Amino acid sequence: DIVMTQSPDSLAVSLGERATINCKSSQSVLYSSNNKNYLAWYQQKPGRPPKLLIYWASTRESGVPDRFSGSGSGTDFTLTISSLQAEDVAVYYCQQYYSTPLFGGGTKVEIK
Amino acid sequence: EVQLVESGGGLVQPGGSLRLSCAASGITFSGYWMHWVRQAPGKGLVWVSRINSDGSSTNYADSVKGRFTISRDNAKNMLYLQMNSLRAEDTAVYYCGRPLKGVGPAFDIWGQGTMVTVSS
Repeated sequence: DIVMTQSPDSLAVSLGERATINCKSSQSVLYSSNNKNYLAWYQQKPGRPPKLLIYWASTRESGVPDRFSGSGSGTDFTLTISSLQAEDVAVYYCQQYYSTPLFGGGTKVEIK
Repeated sequence: EVQLVESGGGLVQPGGSLRLSCAASGITFSGYWMHWVRQAPGKGLVWVSRINSDGSSTNYADSVKGRFTISRDNAKNMLYLQMNSLRAEDTAVYYCGRPLKGVGPAFDIWGQGTMVTVSS
């Protein structure tokens, strides 16, 4: 089974600064026939369901601010918030959908 | 407006049963596979089960296989999760989720969740 490992578990970033979250898959989630990475990123605020931010590892969902970006391929992926805003305080999850859906353990982002 | 609304959660004793429902509106429900995802208090997201668009194929996480049954009624735009032989470790918020069309199970629409508490 694929294992998804996120790092760090938490990070504190000053307003306006960059936040970087890493996600590593134990197996490649790159599907060779279409050259797409089956990797998504979500944001979850307390008491709310998750919100899809990124799919195909780097495609931003409609309505998501462009300060959110995804990168990576194969087994190593990154979610970057280029300029942290107060409303970005949340827990962020990666998820592979190459096989049975599996989420990473989450990264809590706070304001420093 | 596209919306998923879960119901049916509550407090149940270990070994008991519950049936969760997910009502869909604003979408062509019968065109989508549908999923259940759960989240234990203070913990991360865990995929539970999925059902294909006509209900003929289902899959389950190992932790619930043989105890939970997913089903759907496309005429009523309803998704269900029958949960039997409940355990304390099944305590969680249960979400239904709709995958992005043409992408796969990256979920763009989620319900608000329904809480299931298994305790004596």
